[in-house]
Amino acid sequence: SQTIHQWPATLVQPVGSPLSLECTVEGTSNPNLYWYRQAAGRGLQLLFYSVGIGQISSEVPQNLSASRPQDRQFILSSKKLLLSDSGFYLCASRSSYNSPLHFGNGTRLTVT
Amino acid sequence: KNEVEQSPQNLTAQEGEFITINCSYSVGISALHWLQQHPGGGIVSLFMLSSGKKKHGRLIATINIQEKHSSLHITASHPRDSAVYICAVPNAGGTSYGKLTFGQGTILTVHP
Repeated sequence: SQTIHQWPATLVQPVGSPLSLECTVEGTSNPNLYWYRQAAGRGLQLLFYSVGIGQISSEVPQNLSASRPQDRQFILSSKKLLLSDSGFYLCASRSSYNSPLHFGNGTRLTVT
Repeated sequence: KNEVEQSPQNLTAQEGEFITINCSYSVGISALHWLQQHPGGGIVSLFMLSSGKKKHGRLIATINIQEKHSSLHITASHPRDSAVYICAVPNAGGTSYGKLTFGQGTILTVHP
């Protein structure tokens, strides 16, 4: 089965600083990859998804970007963090459109 | 877009009670997901089902495709079942790339 490695687990960053969250996947090839954000007390919001290397689709306009430099590596970045970027970020993977969704343990980001 | 509604939003039970969480959606789907989010934030996929019923230990998930409704049952509930339970369905229309629409979640607290 798939294992999603996501780090760091927690992060406190000042406003205006850059961000890089990394996610790597084991146990599958050519997965669909997703970055979600969960604001406090809210549901999961899809930020980006990728169906292959270098293929990134953005769901909502925002201060963040994503990249997929390798098949099983998905990176979430920002050049300058905003207070509103605080939240819980989850990376997820699916082997195919009809397979279960596997999640990483998430990164709790606090922008101060 | 597929609309997802979960009920109840909050559920408190005594250890040993039978638990039911409901999920309704607006557009026909190929499969529905039940997820469990632990207090630390990590999310685990419990079930993906497209018809009938699935059982895993004390957890049972059922789905009625015609009525666009699914239920998650927990038999003999235990305090360790305390978590947020989330229902998710595929986005409606076109090529969704495996994207899901998530319910707001049901917060379950089981007291000893």
